Amino acid sequence: EDQVTQSPEALRLQEGESSSLNCSYTVSGLRGLFWYRQDPGKGPEFLFTLYSAGEEKEKERLKATLTKKESFLHITAPKPEDSATYLCAVRDTGNQFYFGTGTSLTVIP
Amino acid sequence: KAGVTQTPRYLIKTRGQQVTLSCSPISGHRSVSWYQQTPGQGLQFLFEYFSETQRNKGNFPGRFSGRQFSNSRSEMNVSTLELGDSALYLCASSWTGKNIQYFGAGTRLSVL
Repeated sequence: EDQVTQSPEALRLQEGESSSLNCSYTVSGLRGLFWYRQDPGKGPEFLFTLYSAGEEKEKERLKATLTKKESFLHITAPKPEDSATYLCAVRDTGNQFYFGTGTSLTVIP
Repeated sequence: KAGVTQTPRYLIKTRGQQVTLSCSPISGHRSVSWYQQTPGQGLQFLFEYFSETQRNKGNFPGRFSGRQFSNSRSEMNVSTLELGDSALYLCASSWTGKNIQYFGAGTRLSVL
């Protein structure tokens, strides 16, 4: 069964303290791995799509990487405005999306 | 360009009632997917519509149904509401359903 697991569930960082979020997956034929950011009371906001192992994408302080079994979202020198829940999702060959339960990130000034 | 619009934003219903939620996708998007989000389960896929046809369905009971109109707008209906149906219901649209999904702000349903 296709599955997505994110860790840690929650992460507290001091402003400027870099770290990584993990997304491990088992899927019958990966057709894309997606990272989203969700703020309280809002819908998920698209960040990145990765399609093949070795691929990397960057946006401001965020960098997403992909291997055959997991993806990492690296946060460099985070700021309080980076506080949010980060969601990972995969699309399988059946064109269905599976989401992880997310990592809640809090960046303390 | 307008984003995905979901109405209403908040709903309070009682057990046994039924409810209809609405989603207007981004202009030009033909695929609309619905998700249920709860603190414990995360986002759970309900169904996907493409060109007025249900293309995928998640593992939810038949009380959950949906439809899509010719202008790609979609509605989701839940009949005989249960307390466990309390959740944030999210709608996402994409060009074809095979690429990036863009989400609305959701409808917060509370069942009392």
